[in-house]
Amino acid sequence: QKEVEQNSGPLSVPEGAIASLNCTYSDRGSQSFFWYRQYSGKSPELIMFIYSNGDKEDGRFTAQLNKASQYVSLLIRDSQPSDSATYLCAVNVGSNDYKLSFGAGTTVTVRA
Amino acid sequence: GAVVSQHPSRVICKSGTSVKIECRSLDFQATTMFWYRQFPKQSLMLMATSNEGSKATYEQGVEKDKFLINHASLTLSTLTVTSAHPEDSSFYICSARRRALNTEAFFGQGTRLTVV
Repeated sequence: QKEVEQNSGPLSVPEGAIASLNCTYSDRGSQSFFWYRQYSGKSPELIMFIYSNGDKEDGRFTAQLNKASQYVSLLIRDSQPSDSATYLCAVNVGSNDYKLSFGAGTTVTVRA
Repeated sequence: GAVVSQHPSRVICKSGTSVKIECRSLDFQATTMFWYRQFPKQSLMLMATSNEGSKATYEQGVEKDKFLINHASLTLSTLTVTSAHPEDSSFYICSARRRALNTEAFFGQGTRLTVV
């Protein structure tokens, strides 16, 4: 089982709609969770991080964490064409490790 | 956010030569840096963890004699791809992270290596 799993997509949503991205992880000791956005040919850039169960909102983005279910999600509201990218879920592996384990990424396409 | 600078952004080299990639943390002391490789349409694969003043820790399957990592200062880590082959062509990305659990990793711009 992979440490971090994501649906590869592609996920196609119309402009203005909500894009919902899911991520599951295998290590119950993980404590830090990150969502990165990566445009083609570029390096990842941080969108959101979440450490506690529940929801965390930042602008059009909402991260949701459920440690009991080992599940973290990202919602993009009012999707824009500029949101078209690959979204990577990253998890701090274990409770005493500084490495991040990345999912394979979900490709999102926002149709104008 | 913190800035991590990676250089060069793109390099083409001949098979059999070596290439050095630099990663600098510009505004915080990065005791730990990470080197990733990413093939087209695939996710980031961690190659090694670079620790300042000590040997790097390599992930399983990564040849430490081929991918030489030096982390001589708190702001600079280098990755040297030795005796490069076409199959080493990839996107190499470094990241730096403050040594605390609940902190994000900052990424360099990445280096596109093409071995011909």
